[in-house]
Amino acid sequence: AQSVAQPEDQVNVAEGNPLTVKCTYSVSGNPYLFWYVQYPNRGLQFLLKYITGDNLVKGSYGFEAEFNKSQTSFHLKKPSALVSDSALYFCAVRTTAGKSTFGDGTTLTVKP
Amino acid sequence: SQTIHQWPATLVQPVGSPLSLECTVEGTSNPNLYWYRQAAGRGLQLLFYSVGIGQISSEVPQNLSASRPQDRQFILSSKKLLLSDSGFYLCAWRPPGQGNGYTFGSGTRLTVV
Repeated sequence: AQSVAQPEDQVNVAEGNPLTVKCTYSVSGNPYLFWYVQYPNRGLQFLLKYITGDNLVKGSYGFEAEFNKSQTSFHLKKPSALVSDSALYFCAVRTTAGKSTFGDGTTLTVKP
Repeated sequence: SQTIHQWPATLVQPVGSPLSLECTVEGTSNPNLYWYRQAAGRGLQLLFYSVGIGQISSEVPQNLSASRPQDRQFILSSKKLLLSDSGFYLCAWRPPGQGNGYTFGSGTRLTVV
């Protein structure tokens, strides 16, 4: 069975500092990996994905994520956090079988 | 461009009453459609998905049902709501193909009282 772990319920960073939101996964076969962001009382918005190719993928709003096959991780990063980045972030994995699994989410708080 | 509409945004219903939540997608054809429930603002639980008109797959036995009467319309229903049906319901679509991400609707906050 596939699974996604977001080990931190909460991440706090100061505005202007780099941020990392962690995600590890477990699947059989090659994974397709995704990050989504959710603002309060809204649906999830797609940020970025890894399908194949370069391990570092860039997405919306200056976010990027690094795929690490040996560590089965797909951490979300941003060089300089903004207060407006404060939201709930979800990592998701899908395999060629088509089933998607979401992590439980990480609340990011960026303080001015 | 493609858009997804989901309504209503909020709903308060008494226990035992029926439910109908509607989701429509514009600007695409033959989308894969999904209903998720998010409890306590955290993890997502897949309830139903559909790859075509009249084709519904249920992931978890529920007091709920889904229907897809048209290519771009997906409806979540219940004949009699339970307190445990309260939650944030999200409709989503994605194009066929494993490399495509979801586009989510804005969600419906359902409170069963």
